[in-house]
Amino acid sequence: DTAVSQTPKYLVTQMGNDKSIKCEQNLGHDTMYWYKQDSKKFLKIMFSYNNKELIINETVPNRFSPKSPDKAHLNLHINSLELGDSAVYFCASSETSGSYNEQFFGPGTRLTVL
Amino acid sequence: RKEVEQDPGPFNVPEGATVAFNCTYSNSASQSFFWYRQDCRKEPKLLMSVYSSGNEDGRFTAQLNRASQYISLLIRDSKLSDSATYLCVVNIRGDYKLSFGAGTTVTVRA
Repeated sequence: DTAVSQTPKYLVTQMGNDKSIKCEQNLGHDTMYWYKQDSKKFLKIMFSYNNKELIINETVPNRFSPKSPDKAHLNLHINSLELGDSAVYFCASSETSGSYNEQFFGPGTRLTVL
Repeated sequence: RKEVEQDPGPFNVPEGATVAFNCTYSNSASQSFFWYRQDCRKEPKLLMSVYSSGNEDGRFTAQLNRASQYISLLIRDSKLSDSATYLCVVNIRGDYKLSFGAGTTVTVRA
């Protein structure tokens, strides 16, 4: 019954590796997001897709590449991982892309780069 | 200046007390305002939207002051379960991007 799910929940990896995080929502929402929450607890938007179309692409290194195979899935691939990529990554979804819409968050993926 | 600024706290209050805190935002054109709650090592969840006229949801009251560009959250009759970080969330640029504050931590003690 999980609304927004992410895998894996924890990811520990070495610098320089490539890794992916997967996100799925079963709410029938049109819009999905990736956020990064660093050690200072700021949640920053990275990307947003509306019906598989990229609508928000913040200033994020191009080592980060989102992919939305359908509107229920939004994956995040990270190349050449760096120490500074260590953070919690949250996926979220909302009914539409309007800013007044509630966003539902997944449980987060805690990424540690060694 | 940060887009959304909050007093990080922590606010340590006894059960039954009232606690209130504010959040300021940078852009006067902002249109949507929310309070989200985040428990330790969990995801954020919507607590309430904030409307121009102010609104109440049980023990929680939110106010918006557009002239001074701040929103507030007041929690009455605090419960132990209210212990969390409260995130102020604002639609800063009038588009569909939300900006999150770093959160205000509230700890309610028995």
